[in-house]
Amino acid sequence: GDSVTQMEGPVTLSEEAFLTINCTYTATGYPSLFWYVQYPGEGLQLLLKATKADDKGSNKGFEATYRKETTSFHLEKGSVQVSDSAVYFCALRRPIYNQGGKLIFGQGTELSVKP
Amino acid sequence: NAGVTQTPKFRVLKTGQSMTLLCAQDMNHEYMYWYRQDPGMGLRLIHYSVGEGTTAKGEVPDGYNVSRLKKQNFLLGLESAAPSQTSVYFCASSYSMRVGALDSREAHEQFFGPGTRLTVL
Repeated sequence: GDSVTQMEGPVTLSEEAFLTINCTYTATGYPSLFWYVQYPGEGLQLLLKATKADDKGSNKGFEATYRKETTSFHLEKGSVQVSDSAVYFCALRRPIYNQGGKLIFGQGTELSVKP
Repeated sequence: NAGVTQTPKFRVLKTGQSMTLLCAQDMNHEYMYWYRQDPGMGLRLIHYSVGEGTTAKGEVPDGYNVSRLKKQNFLLGLESAAPSQTSVYFCASSYSMRVGALDSREAHEQFFGPGTRLTVL
């Protein structure tokens, strides 16, 4: 079945460091891909998305490119801030006829940024 | 707009007790979902609904029931709570959009509520 695998956390970085969180997926067809962010005590917020191969999603300095050849969607940011501390989830979306277009999530990667 | 709201925020139950979690959305979305979040496992779909009066099973439906009597509300029930149902529960909503020239549709972005943290002793 479809699945998403993320790098294990927690990831601890110093402020202004470069961030990469790896995400790879297994799926039939070409699903849309997402990164969601969960700040402490809150729900999930969409961070960015890409709907087809070679698309680059970007938001708030974060970027991820849909790589069909490597089935990857790695999240990057050039300079992290303390306020970026959160749990990041990679997800793929199934077609609408597959359980209403459900999201399949990776296990989440906790990021902690120190001043 | 409040978006997606959930009540209660926290709850502690004893094994065998029942409860209902309420999800409400004010975006007129057709689709609504219940997920549970467990450590190291991401979120998994419990049940979902593609419209008022319809519900269907997701990946982990056992021990839960749902109802969608009104378009804006999606209720998740636990008839006899078990410790294995200790989790954080998230509701989400979405709408579908037409894609391409044919009558095909795709699900749009899912909007999530703040979650309900449930502990079953």
